[in-house]
Amino acid sequence: QKEVEQDPGPLSVPEGAIVSLNCTYSNSAFQYFMWYRQYSRKGPELLMYTYSSGNKEDGRFTAQVDKSSKYISLFIRDSQPSDSATYLCAMRGNSGGSNYKLTFGKGTLLTVNP
Amino acid sequence: NAGVTQTPKFRVLKTGQSMTLLCAQDMNHEYMYWYRQDPGMGLRLIHYSVGEGTTAKGEVPDGYNVSRLKKQNFLLGLESAAPSQTSVYFCASSFSQDRPLREQYFGPGTRLTVT
Repeated sequence: QKEVEQDPGPLSVPEGAIVSLNCTYSNSAFQYFMWYRQYSRKGPELLMYTYSSGNKEDGRFTAQVDKSSKYISLFIRDSQPSDSATYLCAMRGNSGGSNYKLTFGKGTLLTVNP
Repeated sequence: NAGVTQTPKFRVLKTGQSMTLLCAQDMNHEYMYWYRQDPGMGLRLIHYSVGEGTTAKGEVPDGYNVSRLKKQNFLLGLESAAPSQTSVYFCASSFSQDRPLREQYFGPGTRLTVT
């Protein structure tokens, strides 16, 4: 089993839809959970992060972490064509040792159609 | 601030040729990373550096060498390019302290094709 599993999609939705993106993981030492957004032919950029369990909201984006299920989600409300990109989940443990290294999911390609 | 920059943006090599990819960052980050991104494989760590003069192997280091002679620069070398090294290469950098996040900032990528 890979450390981080992410459905690669592709996912195609109409403008205004609610989008749900998910990752599962196996390493219980992961404490920091991040979502990166990568536009076509660009480098990834950090979108949101969460420490440990819980929810975090930023505008139309909500990140959720359920450590008991080893499951993280990113919700996008009122999706816009400008949200069309590949979304990568990433995670790491706390400080110390090699815990600055991120483990990435393979990314989900999202297209929001006008 | 330019952030993380990568040179060149595109390159085509013949099998057996060598080249060096340059990464530069102006954020005073201690840590730097080289990744490759391939369809269906996601981002895979090639080598990384936790400070000037130090380097370490990542997940897929074979066929690559790196050097970090200056804090702001991280070089990735291919001594004898192979078609399997056709990929998009990303450099990233981050602070070392356990700030709330220690976010990795990525460069724009280098598209390398080996024929």
